[in-house]
Amino acid sequence: SAVISQKPSRDICQRGTSLTIQCQVDSQVTMMFWYRQQPGQSLTLIATANQGSEATYESGFVIDKFPISRPNLTFSTLTVSNMSPEDSSIYLCSVVGGVGEQYFGPGTRLTVT
Amino acid sequence: QKEVEQNSGPLSVPEGAIASLNCTYSDRVSQSFFWYRQYSGKSPELIMSIYSNGDKEDGRFTAQLNKASQYVSLLIRDSQPSDSATYLCAVNTAGGTSYGKLTFGQGTILTVHP
Repeated sequence: SAVISQKPSRDICQRGTSLTIQCQVDSQVTMMFWYRQQPGQSLTLIATANQGSEATYESGFVIDKFPISRPNLTFSTLTVSNMSPEDSSIYLCSVVGGVGEQYFGPGTRLTVT
Repeated sequence: QKEVEQNSGPLSVPEGAIASLNCTYSDRVSQSFFWYRQYSGKSPELIMSIYSNGDKEDGRFTAQLNKASQYVSLLIRDSQPSDSATYLCAVNTAGGTSYGKLTFGQGTILTVHP
């Protein structure tokens, strides 16, 4: 499986500011996903990020709030914009393996005050 | 709405017992099914995948799939305290086995007590 890293691992931010989370993979992958895991909850898919095309957002998530970049096959960023305390979550990126399984990065724990 | 349902638990079993975790899904065209283990403060870790009806065994873990009943389960034999974690059922709802988004259940908290 691919080795995935995320930066930062955690951050505390003030409301109204933005944070960009980076996801780096040690091999080229076509599809990357971004998930949110709110406290005590399961994973919710934010968007699918394919290199060379616009990200595809799930219902309830919009590009203005969660802009995503995918400049190449090993890297992606997710920005959480104009943050509020409700954005306090763990944000995870994942990549798809050979038979549809997904492997997750270590996550970014975000606290908004 | 494509859904994946799990009993949130918590499920408590004694050390050495069999832990049984269950999951149902609503989308009949789902093709691939996964179990993830998530320790507190960590990201999900893939432990089992299953694509065909029947049982699939890997060490102490057995995944069972019944597509007619839209049911998938995970058995953990000889449970150990280190198995204590949240177990997430995930279903590929986009069809096919080589592509797709995953829909996750809410997770079952398992506690194995000595």
